[in-house]
Amino acid sequence: SQTIHQWPATLVQPVGSPLSLECTVEGTSNPNLYWYRQAAGRGLQLLFYSVGIGQISSEVPQNLSASRPQDRQFILSSKKLLLSDSGFYLCASHDSGGLGETQYFGPGTRLLVL
Amino acid sequence: ELKVEQNPLFLSMQEGKNYTIYCNYSTTSDRLYWYRQDPGKSLESLFVLLSNGAVKQEGRLMASLDTKARLSTLHITAAVHDLSATYFCAVSRRYGGATNKLIFGTGTLLAVQP
Repeated sequence: SQTIHQWPATLVQPVGSPLSLECTVEGTSNPNLYWYRQAAGRGLQLLFYSVGIGQISSEVPQNLSASRPQDRQFILSSKKLLLSDSGFYLCASHDSGGLGETQYFGPGTRLLVL
Repeated sequence: ELKVEQNPLFLSMQEGKNYTIYCNYSTTSDRLYWYRQDPGKSLESLFVLLSNGAVKQEGRLMASLDTKARLSTLHITAAVHDLSATYFCAVSRRYGGATNKLIFGTGTLLAVQP
C-alpha cells in the first residue's frame, strides 16, 4: 500500500511571507495527486489536482499555486501568504491514474498565518 | 454542480445504541467514499462504494449506497466510545481524462457518551 509524507507538520508564518509545502508518495506509480484545505471545524475543499508530471489543474481562484516536478512529488506554494490561507492542508493520492480503489490522505500540514 | 449534504452535523450517542448518518448528493456519481477523522488528524479511509445496492461492513460500521436515490448511509451498531470522531462522506466524478476529484460533505461529529 502507498505511504504519503507531508512536511512540515506545523507551520506558523507571518502575512506576506512565502510558503512551500511538500508532499511525497511511496509505494505507487503514476498516481493522481491532490491538495485539499480544511478550515477549522469545516469540510475539505479541493484546491489543486495533478494527473502527471507538470500537469496542474486549479479548482478555486486563490493565492496559492502547485507544482509537480516528479511523478511522486507535489508542492504547494505561495509568494505572499494571506490570513485566509490558514488551515489544515492535506495531500492525497489516488493510484493507477485515479483508477485505484480509494484516495489516501497524508498526515497533513497545519498552517497558521499571523 | 455536484453537491454533497450530510446529516446530522452533530450526533451525541449513548454507548450501546444504534444510529445512522445520511449522505445525499446532487448528481450522478461514480463512487461514494466514507472517511473518519480524529481530532487534529488526517482522514482514514473506511469504505468505498461503487455500485447501486453496495453494502460494506467493518466492525460496528456498515455503509450502503442507493444510486437511484443518490443516498448513502453509515449505520453504527452498538456504539462504543472509540467510534467518537468526525465522519465524512465524499463523492467523485470523472471528467475527461482526469479522475476522482472528491467533493466532501460537511461532516458529522459523532460523540459517544458512556
